[in-house]
Amino acid sequence: GQQLNQSPQSMFIQEGEDVSMNCTSSSIFNTWLWYKQDPGEGPVLLIALYKAGELTSNGRLTAQFGITRKDSFLNISASIPSDVGIYFCAGRGYGGSQGNLIFGKGTKLSVKP
Amino acid sequence: SQTIHQWPATLVQPVGSPLSLECTVEGTSNPNLYWYRQAAGRGLQLLFYSVGIGQISSEVPQNLSASRPQDRQFILSSKKLLLSDSGFYLCAWSFGVNYGYTFGSGTRLTVV
Repeated sequence: GQQLNQSPQSMFIQEGEDVSMNCTSSSIFNTWLWYKQDPGEGPVLLIALYKAGELTSNGRLTAQFGITRKDSFLNISASIPSDVGIYFCAGRGYGGSQGNLIFGKGTKLSVKP
Repeated sequence: SQTIHQWPATLVQPVGSPLSLECTVEGTSNPNLYWYRQAAGRGLQLLFYSVGIGQISSEVPQNLSASRPQDRQFILSSKKLLLSDSGFYLCAWSFGVNYGYTFGSGTRLTVV
């Protein structure tokens, strides 16, 4: 089946630093999404990407849909303490279970003031 | 606008007791509905999804079952809880197969 690898698993950074995380898939995806989950809450959609090569920003966040359609990255610039949480990538390939999203295992971000 | 409600927020249940978690969506019709479980604050495991009333697909064999008695209502149940059923349960909805998911706020289930 389709697999999605997200890295790194965790990051511990200083406030103000930039952050980069990525996901790769074993097959071509037609959609990439990035979610953030605060502790004890459900994930919230940050950015959605629907076209290969697409680069989209949401404030300090920037995400790109890889040209090969098998990867995506999320960058956070000038991190702040409220960026703490778990970031999930999610993608949708062709075929599969009614087009259900596949989620990465998450990147846990910790920010030191 | 659409909203998703999930309750209860937290639940402590003894082993062997039944379970019923409810999820409702407002502001849309015929949504796709999903139940996920998250263990140890990490990965999301898809348990069930539904594309319509009475239509339930199971992704992983579980001690759990799901039902969709109404268009915007999705229920996760168990007849007898196991210790391993503890976790964070998330309900989500989407407009359809080409859209992202919107998650509820989750239910923290502890089986003791």
